[in-house]
Amino acid sequence: EVQLVESGGGLVKPGGSLRLSCAVSGFTFSSSNMNWVRQAPGKGLEWVSFINTRSSSIYSADSVKGRFTISRDNAKNSLYLQMNSLRADDTAVYYCTREGGYCDSTRCYGVGTFDYWGQGILVTVSS
Amino acid sequence: DIQMTQSPSTLSASVGDRVTITCRASQSISSWLAWYQQKPGKAPKLLIYDASSLESGVPSRFSGSGSGTEFTLTISSLQPDDFASYYCQQYNNYPRTFGQGTKVEIK
Repeated sequence: EVQLVESGGGLVKPGGSLRLSCAVSGFTFSSSNMNWVRQAPGKGLEWVSFINTRSSSIYSADSVKGRFTISRDNAKNSLYLQMNSLRADDTAVYYCTREGGYCDSTRCYGVGTFDYWGQGILVTVSS
Repeated sequence: DIQMTQSPSTLSASVGDRVTITCRASQSISSWLAWYQQKPGKAPKLLIYDASSLESGVPSRFSGSGSGTEFTLTISSLQPDDFASYYCQQYNNYPRTFGQGTKVEIK
């Protein structure tokens, strides 16, 4: 059974820091590109950050660039999001997601989708 | 960044209705479009990828079409389990972007 379990969320003051973790099981983590996606209360989905299998390619949304850092530990089957200089508009449920899709000899299928999601963890930034 | 615009924002429908949701991209994304379903308090679920390919395990009443800048998600016969919010997402480039969502409500 595939499981992605986020932890590390909670209430933090503006300007503070948090580190989210995502423990993965049920698929080969070291072969999977991973992402963080967030959702502010009552709002839509916002992609946050991407990391490839070897941590050699990282992309982040402009809204978090310079403040949030995605990382992974393949030996521990874990994904992380270090969040610094937190602001009120970072308040959201944060989801750990696997990048779906595959490629054959001719083309790729669904690469860039999010096929597995964690249950989400709430981060609240408030004084 | 590529902007994704969904319509309508809210849709009221009855069980058995045929439902169509539209997603427009601000520039061409070829067929690099996915659809997700989200129920309250739950994580989104991937329904459709590459604009028209059904994810494994998703009922065949869901279908997707389109390419370039205009896409549709169709539910051929709405079931009670389908009342939820739906999001489109482009993966043509970074940043990945989502539509604002369409809530399908009971009429």
